[in-house]
Amino acid sequence: DTAVSQTPKYLVTQMGNDKSIKCEQNLGHDTMYWYKQDSKKFLKIMFSYNNKELIINETVPNRFSPKSPDKAHLNLHINSLELGDSAVYFCASSQGVQDPYEQYFGPGTRLTVT
Amino acid sequence: AQSVAQPEDQVNVAEGNPLTVKCTYSVSGNPYLFWYVQYPNRGLQFLLKYITGDNLVKGSYGFEAEFNKSQTSFHLKKPSALVSDSALYFCAVRDGGTGTASKLTFGTGTRLQVTL
Repeated sequence: DTAVSQTPKYLVTQMGNDKSIKCEQNLGHDTMYWYKQDSKKFLKIMFSYNNKELIINETVPNRFSPKSPDKAHLNLHINSLELGDSAVYFCASSQGVQDPYEQYFGPGTRLTVT
Repeated sequence: AQSVAQPEDQVNVAEGNPLTVKCTYSVSGNPYLFWYVQYPNRGLQFLLKYITGDNLVKGSYGFEAEFNKSQTSFHLKKPSALVSDSALYFCAVRDGGTGTASKLTFGTGTRLQVTL
């Protein structure tokens, strides 16, 4: 029973392409997140959604567009991929957004742009 | 903005010995602090958190962390390390005031290597 799942696990694509990463959580959480982990393992939040509503957007390029069809799903679409987008992208969820609830992370999607 | 610092890129310890992974924080107001662990090719797993109350917080897998307000530290500890504890450890702080959207701001991570 995977709590937070992501697909695909690996994604290799060429510069300029458009790609999507999907995330689903079965924990009944209200809040979901996207994080980017670079090659030095530095982890930084990109977006946060609460009940399908965008609440955090951390100065991410417009090429990145999150979409939340319902509170159990948060997808990430990336247009015109660049070399610098190569990273591991983690989805996470938490019970709420205002309280210091712990976050539960998915296994990650390793994106390689060539 | 809130921040945490992990001064050590790597910590090496022999199995059976106590381990400490250091974290210091910089916050305005009450700190909400977390420790996460990342095993190779895996997502982060929650270990423990400090919200309020006892300065010694117990978490998963025998780990604990000591909150020290005067030293603004939240070091992760374990009395007896296991080889299976070898992983990347992240300290994090909740960033965002009460009643607003909050996020976690992570430290740069500390790689723990436990050897036989």
